[in-house]
Amino acid sequence: NFMLTQPHSVSESPGKTVTISCTRSSGSIASNYVQWYQQRPGSAPTTVIYEDNQRPSGVPDRFSGSIDSSSNSASLTISGLKTEDEADYYCQSYDSSNWVFGGGTKLTVL
Amino acid sequence: EVQLVESGGGLVQPGRSLRLSCTASGFTFGDYAMSWVRQAPGKGLEWVGFIRSKAYGGTTEYAASVKGRFTISRDDSKSIAYLQMNSLKTEDTAVYYCTRPFDYWGQGTLVTVSS
Repeated sequence: NFMLTQPHSVSESPGKTVTISCTRSSGSIASNYVQWYQQRPGSAPTTVIYEDNQRPSGVPDRFSGSIDSSSNSASLTISGLKTEDEADYYCQSYDSSNWVFGGGTKLTVL
Repeated sequence: EVQLVESGGGLVQPGRSLRLSCTASGFTFGDYAMSWVRQAPGKGLEWVGFIRSKAYGGTTEYAASVKGRFTISRDDSKSIAYLQMNSLKTEDTAVYYCTRPFDYWGQGTLVTVSS
């Protein structure tokens, strides 16, 4: 099985742009889609990116996803940060029979 | 509107069993795989397992931590997915979420395993 490694925490000011990385330990990041989930305190997770770079309806276009084969990582970028974006963010991918979650990144907007 | 509603959580003693249900609405349930994800208090998300749609054989996959103890099943006529949990351990204490991969999540149900 592979692992997905995320930074424990990131912080940025309102209006700025932040990028959260997710590095796959083995196997190609491009071989299986990556999803990103947002979890606000006390709430269930919601999907903000699926299939590497697709946004569900209702998710603002300030959220974008990408993958980089050279670093074997995926990234979630949030532009025009708002205080409401403060949350935990988890990346997730899979292989033929397993799902894997990253450890989560706490985003502080201050 | 897609909705996933979990039920069946509660307090259970170690070694006992519990069955969770996930009632779905707003989509053709039988066309989709369904999965369970859990979150221990103060911890991150952990995949539990999933069940494929009947079109893909209705087969299941499980995380190593629950394999042999947990079983996922589905009743497409009722739009319900189940998570049967046997031989529960204190480390199974968590909020259990039902998800439609990779877009919708339920609100979760808390399972506490304690004597």
